[in-house]
Amino acid sequence: QKEVEQNSGPLSVPEGAIASLNCTYSDRGSQSFFWYRQYSGKSPELIMFIYSNGDKEDGRFTAQLNKASQYVSLLIRDSQPSDSATYLCAVRGGYSTLTFGKGTMLLVSP
Amino acid sequence: ETGVTQTPRHLVMGMTNKKSLKCEQHLGHNAMYWYKQSAKKPLELMFVYNFKEQTENNSVPSRFSPECPNSSHLFLHLHTLQPEDSALYLCASTQEAFNTDTQYFGPGTRLTVL
Repeated sequence: QKEVEQNSGPLSVPEGAIASLNCTYSDRGSQSFFWYRQYSGKSPELIMFIYSNGDKEDGRFTAQLNKASQYVSLLIRDSQPSDSATYLCAVRGGYSTLTFGKGTMLLVSP
Repeated sequence: ETGVTQTPRHLVMGMTNKKSLKCEQHLGHNAMYWYKQSAKKPLELMFVYNFKEQTENNSVPSRFSPECPNSSHLFLHLHTLQPEDSALYLCASTQEAFNTDTQYFGPGTRLTVL
């Protein structure tokens, strides 16, 4: 059974700091990896996706993928209180649907 | 209207009621999904429709009945639900199912079963 593991948190960081969110997955055949942000009471919204090993940067966000270690992370630089949300990691194999983790709650304090 | 819309946004129903959730996508996608999100649990995939054909049913109880009349509309018919079915029900769409396309979520329906 495919599993995606995330620390539920909350992860607390001060404003301006770097927030590091981690995710591990069990299926070695996974090929695409997604980070969604979900504010309380709202639906998930896509932040980034990554397919290849290494780093992918988009503004203040950097996704990091290490397929050998089955590990994907999301770094948020210069964290803002508006970044406070639950971050969902999602993983997809070749011809399959997404498997989501439980999410990590991030709290950014002013 | 743009993106993925869902109605109603909130629903309270008794265990003997019959109700339906509606999802509509305005993105020209061909695949639509129903997810259930309960507290402290990962998003659970319920059903997948690809080009109006149901391609996945994740062992969902028969009291949940999906319907996809066309690629833009998806319904979830509810009948004799249990209190543990109370959750946020999310609809999503992609260009096609089972590929790397990004899923776009609707705002969800918050369901409470009394």
